[in-house]
Amino acid sequence: EDQVTQSPEALRLQEGESSSLNCSYTVSGLRGLFWYRQDPGKGPEFLFTLYSAGEEKEKERLKATLTKKESFLHITAPKPEDSATYLCAVQALPGAGSYQLTFGKGTKLSVIP
Amino acid sequence: SQTIHQWPATLVQPVGSPLSLECTVEGTSNPNLYWYRQAAGRGLQLLFYSVGIGQISSEVPQNLSASRPQDRQFILSSKKLLLSDSGFYLCGLEILGNTIYFGEGSWLTVV
Repeated sequence: EDQVTQSPEALRLQEGESSSLNCSYTVSGLRGLFWYRQDPGKGPEFLFTLYSAGEEKEKERLKATLTKKESFLHITAPKPEDSATYLCAVQALPGAGSYQLTFGKGTKLSVIP
Repeated sequence: SQTIHQWPATLVQPVGSPLSLECTVEGTSNPNLYWYRQAAGRGLQLLFYSVGIGQISSEVPQNLSASRPQDRQFILSSKKLLLSDSGFYLCGLEILGNTIYFGEGSWLTVV
């Protein structure tokens, strides 16, 4: 069974204080690892897809990296508008015609001005 | 570009009442569609997915059902709601073979 564990559950940062969120996963065969951002009461917003160990993707103050067992979402000099819950999900090698995702419970990030 | 519409956005239903949540997508054809539920303190849980009209796969045995009457329409239903059906329901659209994008969701409170 595919599993995704995110840590910490919650993280409070001062504006400008860089940090990282962790996503550990077990999957029979990884097709892709996804990061989403979710604002309160909204649907998840897609951020990145990573496919192989060593891959990195960047978007503004966010950088996602991938190893064979975990992924990190690095946040550099965060701003209050980066406050949200960040979700990690894994996609196993295809079966039965779909590309379903297994999600972690998320890390709730609060950036204090 | 593709868009996902979900409605209603919010609803409060009594235990034992029926449910119908609708998802429609635009800007794509023959998409794979998904229903996920997000309950308090839990990750998103896959409920159903559909690879085409009339084709539904269920991931979790439960009180809910899904239907896909048209290519770009996906409906989540229940005949009799339970308290445990409360949650945030998200419709997902698969694009480019693997990335799933989500709608704005429907909040369901069963009382």
